[in-house]
Amino acid sequence: EVQLVESGGGLVQPGGSLRLSCAASGFTFSTYGMNWVRQAPGKGLEWVSYISRSSNSIIYADSVKGRFTISRDNAKNSLYLQMNSLRDEDTAVYFCAREPISVSGLDYWGQGSLVTVSS
Amino acid sequence: EIVLTQSPGTLSLSPGERATLSCRASQSVSSNYLVWYQQKPGQAPRLLIYGASSRATGIPDRFSGSGSGTDFTLTISRLEPEDFAVYYCQQYGNSPRLTFGGGTKVEIK
Repeated sequence: EVQLVESGGGLVQPGGSLRLSCAASGFTFSTYGMNWVRQAPGKGLEWVSYISRSSNSIIYADSVKGRFTISRDNAKNSLYLQMNSLRDEDTAVYFCAREPISVSGLDYWGQGSLVTVSS
Repeated sequence: EIVLTQSPGTLSLSPGERATLSCRASQSVSSNYLVWYQQKPGQAPRLLIYGASSRATGIPDRFSGSGSGTDFTLTISRLEPEDFAVYYCQQYGNSPRLTFGGGTKVEIK
């Protein structure tokens, strides 16, 4: 069974840092591109970042560029999102999501990890 | 940046009725790059349709997608109780890589 489990969310002050993790199981992690997508409370979906299977392609949304860093460890079947210089508007549930073939949609999602940026 | 506008914002229907959801793009989108998701409260989104009209694995055939260019449609032929949810369209672009529409909520009338 494919599973994606996020962790690392919590309450952080503006300007602070947080690192999210996404543990993958039930599939060959190294053969899939991965994304982070977030959803502010009561709002729609916003794509955050993408990393290719071998990490040779990494792309960010303009809203997080220069502040967030996506990475993966295929040996540990894990995806990460290092979030620095956090702002109030970064408050959201962060989902990791698998992308089986480029531009074919995100076919499996984690349950999400809530990040709250507040003083 | 391509903007996706979904309409209506809310659709009030009864079980058994047909639902027609619209996703309009500000510029032409390749059909290969148009995707639909369903999201229920407190849950992650679920992939329904990719390539504008191909159903994802395990998706019932009452869900269908169509359209091209700037106008795309998700149709639910006969609403089941479990279909009441929020639906998002999504497209792949150059920058940003993925863009979502604002969503359509299908609620019980």
